[in-house]
Amino acid sequence: EAGVAQSPRYKIIEKRQSVAFWCNPISGHATLYWYQQILGQGPKLLIQFQNNGVVDDSQLPKDRFSAERLKGVDSTLKIQPAKLEDSAVYLCASSLRIGGDTQYFGPGTRLTVL
Amino acid sequence: GQQVMQIPQYQHVQEGEDFTTYCNSSTTLSNIQWYKQRPGGHPVFLIQLVKSGEVKKQKRLTFQFGEAKKNSSLHITATQTTDVGTYFCAGPKGNQGGKLIFGQGTELSVKP
Repeated sequence: EAGVAQSPRYKIIEKRQSVAFWCNPISGHATLYWYQQILGQGPKLLIQFQNNGVVDDSQLPKDRFSAERLKGVDSTLKIQPAKLEDSAVYLCASSLRIGGDTQYFGPGTRLTVL
Repeated sequence: GQQVMQIPQYQHVQEGEDFTTYCNSSTTLSNIQWYKQRPGGHPVFLIQLVKSGEVKKQKRLTFQFGEAKKNSSLHITATQTTDVGTYFCAGPKGNQGGKLIFGQGTELSVKP
């Protein structure tokens, strides 16, 4: 089966610019996650969707980050405006169900903010 | 808040030596998962442990879940260069199904 797809793989922007990331989860996976992974650290959950509803966005900096999962399949994560500290790899993951299920990660988008 | 901690942060070994990474949670976990991330890659699921005191093996890898379900370990016997990468443990946050708290990882390098 196809894995989690993400694009773009790399993005370089200047601070205060906007950027958007796209994720297509594994077919049939109800739960989708966006993580931020700063170099040398473990992934940190930003937002979790169950179908097209938000389950948890407590760690999402809502003044600049937004995410949506229209139709409960693809998802986009947007940063507007970007700050230097947003430089990180943004990982999308999906799981079949909610509740401690195995999470399958996409290749990630490496964002550099100059 | 709930924390998951791993030690050591880095481990450099000679090929053929053993390797162990330890994971400790500030709270009791319903389960613990282990992921491996190769350099430049993304985390890949290795295993999930659920039962207190559970031990699972995958070839040269041995995973253990503590009796109190607050700690875990991953032991690799006779490391190979293909074992290079960062090993993360992750546990669910509270009763919030699916939300994982990741440790900071142990980066393993293997010298041939």
